[in-house]
Amino acid sequence: AQSVTQPDIHITVSEGASLELRCNYSYGATPYLFWYVQSPGQGLQLLLKYFSGDTLVQGIKGFEAEFKRSQSSFNLRKPSVHWSDAAEYFCAVGAYGNKLVFGAGTILRVKS
Amino acid sequence: EADIYQTPRYLVIGTGKKITLECSQTMGHDKMYWYQQDPGMELHLIHYSYGVNSTEKGDLSSESTVSRIRTEHFPLTLESARPSHTSQYLCASSEYQRVGDGYTFGSGTRLTVV
Repeated sequence: AQSVTQPDIHITVSEGASLELRCNYSYGATPYLFWYVQSPGQGLQLLLKYFSGDTLVQGIKGFEAEFKRSQSSFNLRKPSVHWSDAAEYFCAVGAYGNKLVFGAGTILRVKS
Repeated sequence: EADIYQTPRYLVIGTGKKITLECSQTMGHDKMYWYQQDPGMELHLIHYSYGVNSTEKGDLSSESTVSRIRTEHFPLTLESARPSHTSQYLCASSEYQRVGDGYTFGSGTRLTVV
């Protein structure tokens, strides 16, 4: 069965600092991988996705993620965080014909 | 421009009332989902549908019911609201043949039962 682990419930970074949010998945084959962002009181917005090809994918808002098959990871990164990036971030894994499985989310706080 | 619409955005209602949360999508997606989410918490799948006249219960037991009479419409109903139903409800849709596109989410309905 598919599963997703986001080890960090909360992360606080200073504005302008770099960011890495961790995501580990469990799946037998190469899955579809996604990162979503949710601002308070809003729905989820797709940041980026990966299925095949270049293991470093670029998304919206300056985010990128790297797929590492050997570590079953799909970590989200941003070189310089802005105060507007404060939100909750969800990693998700999917496969053809199956529902997406979401991680528990990581709440990002940005301090000025 | 939203392709999936949820109404109302906010609802405060008394205990015992019947409520229907609306969800409509204009993308022709065959699969639709309802999630329940408390603030800052994880998503819990409560209902999903793979097409017209198809509905299934999700991973989290819910007293709500859903229907799928039209492809674009997937309303959620609570026959008798209780304070324990206070939460945010998120609707999403996807295309079966395009799993790589992920889900498209609505903006959510924040329900408060007093």
